[in-house]
Amino acid sequence: QKEVEQNSGPLSVPEGAIASLNCTYSDRVSQSFFWYRQYSGKSPELIMSIYSNGDKEDGRFTAQLNKASQYVSLLIRDSQPSDSATYLCAVNSGSARQLTFGSGTQLTVLP
Amino acid sequence: DTAVSQTPKYLVTQMGNDKSIKCEQNLGHDTMYWYKQDSKKFLKIMFSYNNKELIINETVPNRFSPKSPDKAHLNLHINSLELGDSAVYFCASSPRGNYGYTFGSGTRLTVV
Repeated sequence: QKEVEQNSGPLSVPEGAIASLNCTYSDRVSQSFFWYRQYSGKSPELIMSIYSNGDKEDGRFTAQLNKASQYVSLLIRDSQPSDSATYLCAVNSGSARQLTFGSGTQLTVLP
Repeated sequence: DTAVSQTPKYLVTQMGNDKSIKCEQNLGHDTMYWYKQDSKKFLKIMFSYNNKELIINETVPNRFSPKSPDKAHLNLHINSLELGDSAVYFCASSPRGNYGYTFGSGTRLTVV
């Protein structure tokens, strides 16, 4: 069983819509959760972090965490074509300082 | 000005050669990492290095060896390169605590 799982997509949404990206993780002691955005040919860029159950909003981005269900999601409101990228979910588990990444979800926002 | 810098950006080499990739961070971070990203975009940890403590992913062949001359540098040396080593290698760093990484721009290694 993969430690961090994401729907690989591709996920296509029209411009202005809400894009919903989902991630599940297997280690119950996981403490820190991150979303990275990676444009084609570029390095991953941190866009959101969340540490407590509930929602965390930053501009058009909202991260949601449910530790009981071992589920973390990212919502992108008013999606723009510039949001088209691969979104990587990453989880830090317990005392390990290493992040475990999911395989990413490719998002395409259609103009 | 660059936070985490890697060199070279591209590396094309023949099977059997030995090569090195260099990484430097000017963020004052405590921990540095090497990740390998395959053609399917999956990022897999290879090494982490924190204050002279090296944590090795046991699946990494011993042909790969990290070298850290100081806290701001973590280089990756690869011996006897194989075709399967072709990938993008990312260096990253993180501060103390459970915070996200800052990634370097990556090194695309192609073994022919």
